[in-house]
Amino acid sequence: LAKTTQPISMDSYEGQEVNITCSHNNIATNDYITWYQQFPSQGPRFIIQGYKTKVTNEVASLFIPADRKSSTLSLPRVSLSDTAVYYCLVGSETGANNLFFGTGTRLTVIP
Amino acid sequence: DADVTQTPRNRITKTGKRIMLECSQTKGHDRMYWYRQDPGLGLRLIYYSFDVKDINKGEISDGYSVSRQAQAKFSLSLESAIPNQTALYFCATSVPGTSGRDNEQFFGPGTRLTVL
Repeated sequence: LAKTTQPISMDSYEGQEVNITCSHNNIATNDYITWYQQFPSQGPRFIIQGYKTKVTNEVASLFIPADRKSSTLSLPRVSLSDTAVYYCLVGSETGANNLFFGTGTRLTVIP
Repeated sequence: DADVTQTPRNRITKTGKRIMLECSQTKGHDRMYWYRQDPGLGLRLIYYSFDVKDINKGEISDGYSVSRQAQAKFSLSLESAIPNQTALYFCATSVPGTSGRDNEQFFGPGTRLTVL
């Protein structure tokens, strides 16, 4: 199992860029990296997924270095509504590795 | 209508009672999952099923059982509920093979279970 390690919590002011890093030293060749967002009392929601280099969508960017042992979720100009828990998962679609959410990173956006 | 539904949404029960939580989906996904979440903690996988004939234990399957009655339905049972099973339970579905969103999970609204 590719275990992931994330900071437990982070604070940021509105309008700032937030970067959340996830460590996954044991990532396998076929594994991809997926990030989810969870608001209180709701199920997690997919944000972004990548295999290598950089991926960007309308919500976030995901940076993955060449060795793939870590990844960074970047949220541009956060607002109060971005206050949530963010989870990093690693695994491939053929197995169950990418089903382990861990405790995630609790992001608090401050006015 | 929601693609992934869970019933009941809230349930209070007593120690020793048998409880069944139900999950239904209209997404046509083969893969379904049950998670529990305790206050302030992340999600922990209880059971998962990759198709109707497939059942697999997750991280914390002790005290739980599941039934995959059809592609669209996946039920979680607590045979004899105990207070430390008080938690928020989520069902999810997924499908592999979508580029850039491979095995993306779609979650239901959750069932809040309290065992007294």
